Amino acid sequence: SQQGEEDPQALSIQEGENATMNCSYKTSINNLQWYRQNSGRGLVHLILIRSNEREKHSGRLRVTLDTSKKSSSLLITASRAADTASYFCASNTGGFKTIFGAGTRLFVKA
Amino acid sequence: DGGITQSPKYLFRKEGQNVTLSCEQNLNHDAMYWYRQDPGQGLRLIYYSQIVNDFQKGDIAEGYSVSREKKESFPLTVTSAQKNPTAFYLCASRVMPGQEYGYTFGSGTRLTVV
Repeated sequence: SQQGEEDPQALSIQEGENATMNCSYKTSINNLQWYRQNSGRGLVHLILIRSNEREKHSGRLRVTLDTSKKSSSLLITASRAADTASYFCASNTGGFKTIFGAGTRLFVKA
Repeated sequence: DGGITQSPKYLFRKEGQNVTLSCEQNLNHDAMYWYRQDPGQGLRLIYYSQIVNDFQKGDIAEGYSVSREKKESFPLTVTSAQKNPTAFYLCASRVMPGQEYGYTFGSGTRLTVV
């Protein structure tokens, strides 16, 4: 399996609920990033968490990082229909490449 | 507004034909990247460039070529040697040293073989 795998592959929730997506990776990282992609569009950078950080917030987003378990989670609170998109984690191991996972497709029902 | 512009948005290629995808950025970023995205998969790195006149192969460079003659531009050519080119292609850039910064992506080019 590849570095940076998201779980679940797909998630459907009601507007106002929280959405949690998980990401696992295999090798040590310098940082881990989360991106959003609307259908047929490019990726948008949401948040970056460094390997020495455990939690980071940005608006309704909360990212945690557990380097002992090689995992990260993205929590979107009070979700909105506009949050419907695919979400990708991307791990950077210190080189010039970043490895992207296959993504979680989130559908928020109004 | 600063950003990355990819063109065209849709591109159709005949068998045996070379096509070139354009990527232009006005962010003054040193590093530029080309990724390929297939349905249900993550992004796979085709080529990247850290500075003008220099570029490196990524994980799936076969059948592709690039140039970096200007800092702002990083065009990708899909050659006839690429046997399965139908995909969504994304160009990205970031600041150098880039490890602590995220990528800025273009809006993509969808290439279809007809």
